[in-house]
Amino acid sequence: LAKTTQPISMDSYEGQEVNITCSHNNIATNDYITWYQQFPSQGPRFIIQGYKTKVTNEVASLFIPADRKSSTLSLPRVSLSDTAVYYCLVGDMLSGGYNKLIFGAGTRLAVHP
Amino acid sequence: DAGVTQSPTHLIKTRGQQVTLRCSPKSGHDTVSWYQQALGQGPQFIFQYYEEEERQRGNFPDRFSGHQFPNYSSELNVNALLLGDSALYLCASSFVGGSTYEQYFGPGTRLTVT
Repeated sequence: LAKTTQPISMDSYEGQEVNITCSHNNIATNDYITWYQQFPSQGPRFIIQGYKTKVTNEVASLFIPADRKSSTLSLPRVSLSDTAVYYCLVGDMLSGGYNKLIFGAGTRLAVHP
Repeated sequence: DAGVTQSPTHLIKTRGQQVTLRCSPKSGHDTVSWYQQALGQGPQFIFQYYEEEERQRGNFPDRFSGHQFPNYSSELNVNALLLGDSALYLCASSFVGGSTYEQYFGPGTRLTVT
């Protein structure tokens, strides 16, 4: 499984756009990029997933360049409630639903008033 | 539609004891995975159950065992507890035919070993 590298922590202010970049130099052809969000004392929550180019949903956007060696999670106009740990995961989507999630340490985002 | 539920919420055990944690998957899900999350770290995969069998296992000793029932619920058992087993234990459910990486997590069971 491809190893990921992301910043340990980030700070932002309410209303700003936050971009968290994840490096995954050894990403394989079958690998997808997925981001999870975790609030204190809760389980992680799926945010977004993509394979290439750009994916957008009601929560975030995911930008993936052509070489797929990195990806950027973009959170528009963050609020205090976006304070959480964000995990970037990379793995194979073609293994029949039996895959395990490999979490790194994640990025601790703190949003200030 | 109930999400993933776990019980108990909190648990305090003494070193050497045994513990059983329980998980009910999200409705419609058939696969249950267990993760251990130490303070300040990301969740670590313990094992995964599908069709009442352990399908995959992470780097955890045999003290960690599990079971999946016909209704897809699952148990995690830990024997001979060590102080280092203190962590948040998370259960996640998914559907084999669905997106591999969209797993739904429960709120976890906080285990403290003294």
